[in-house]
Amino acid sequence: RKEVEQDPGPFNVPEGATVAFNCTYSNSASQSFFWYRQDCRKEPKLLMSVYSSGNEDGRFTAQLNRASQYISLLIRDSKLSDSATYLCVVNNLNRDDKIIFGKGTRLHILP
Amino acid sequence: NAGVTQTPKFRVLKTGQSMTLLCAQDMNHEYMYWYRQDPGMGLRLIHYSVGEGTTAKGEVPDGYNVSRLKKQNFLLGLESAAPSQTSVYFCASSRQGNTEAFFGQGTRLTVV
Repeated sequence: RKEVEQDPGPFNVPEGATVAFNCTYSNSASQSFFWYRQDCRKEPKLLMSVYSSGNEDGRFTAQLNRASQYISLLIRDSKLSDSATYLCVVNNLNRDDKIIFGKGTRLHILP
Repeated sequence: NAGVTQTPKFRVLKTGQSMTLLCAQDMNHEYMYWYRQDPGMGLRLIHYSVGEGTTAKGEVPDGYNVSRLKKQNFLLGLESAAPSQTSVYFCASSRQGNTEAFFGQGTRLTVV
């Protein structure tokens, strides 16, 4: 099993719809989790951290399920500007202090 | 605020040439990383550093060397460039290993 796995997509979603992505991780000792956004030909930027209790930032909600070892990102009322690649990030601090990126999920919001 | 700065932004090399990519951060971060990104492959970790004077191998270290002589700088070297090293290279830094990583704008390297 890969350390971090994401559905590559693309997800083609009409504007205004709700879309959700999952990301699974293999190391149960993983301690910290993030969602990053990457626009075409740009560097990744932090979208939000993922806390054990779940967290919300405007139209975005992140959840962590430790029992099933996955994190999720929910985008409500999607906008054209949400079109990007969303990267799941997991930190295995107990192993070798490196952060691990998923390959990303491509999202296309359709007008 | 500069954040993470990579130089150069673009470069074309001939096979066998060498070059060094420079990453500089002004946030006093302990951790620094070098990634390469290829279509369909996502970000792959080349080397990383958990503090000044330390380096460690990542997922794809072959053909690359790194140095972290100063806390704010992380250098990535290609001793003998190969076409397989054509890629976009991203440097990143973070305060600790489990905190937000900040990325540079990337270096687009083509080896012909």
